[in-house]
Amino acid sequence: DSGVTQTPKHLITATGQRVTLRCSPRSGDLSVYWYQQSLDQGLQFLIQYYNGEERAKGNILERFSAQQFPDLHSELNLSSLELGDSALYFCASSVAALGRGDTGELFFGEGSRLTVL
Amino acid sequence: AQSVTQLDSQVPVFEEAPVELRCNYSSSVSVYLFWYVQYPNQGLQLLLKYLSGSTLVKGINGFEAEFNKSQTSFHLRKPSFHISDTAEYFCAVSGAGRRALTFGSGTRLQVQP
Repeated sequence: DSGVTQTPKHLITATGQRVTLRCSPRSGDLSVYWYQQSLDQGLQFLIQYYNGEERAKGNILERFSAQQFPDLHSELNLSSLELGDSALYFCASSVAALGRGDTGELFFGEGSRLTVL
Repeated sequence: AQSVTQLDSQVPVFEEAPVELRCNYSSSVSVYLFWYVQYPNQGLQLLLKYLSGSTLVKGINGFEAEFNKSQTSFHLRKPSFHISDTAEYFCAVSGAGRRALTFGSGTRLQVQP
């Protein structure tokens, strides 16, 4: 058990809809990362938050957004869903304070599997 | 920018045989290197990491990897694989600014009896 909790584990929805994925990081971790895993794209970094603020952006579509709340949990919002958005979405956390011995080691949740029909 | 290449997308292996999973990286700065494993229907778990020091890194469950700076490689090895090692293995690099990990495309290992 990594200590990172993601809900829901599975989600089936229709094209055009909007969903929210939730992540609770390990106790004490300040950074949250979102990754998308699909068969054709592999593991793609979407976005990172550190202590409530956006820290880095990867290949995140404009239809997707995220935030990190004061209690450090994070939500990833996916809107106007398309068939190609079907994937496994991982949340990961780390202690990560840049310049404070941050090695980049991440602790992953078990993922939220999104199926868009 | 940094990138990771895992040349083998799939590796079949017989039980109790040794295997090396290859990983090459590119980065203009010093890096930290990682191997993660993803068992079926699970998240990623850290196997081992190279931060500094000895280039031979030992991880959990008998895995080890060797950092070779001149060849920009970080190959994963285990002397004997078991059915329970059937999983997908990902190499990852953390580079400048220590921002998000960049992952390779993964190597699927199918261990057969």
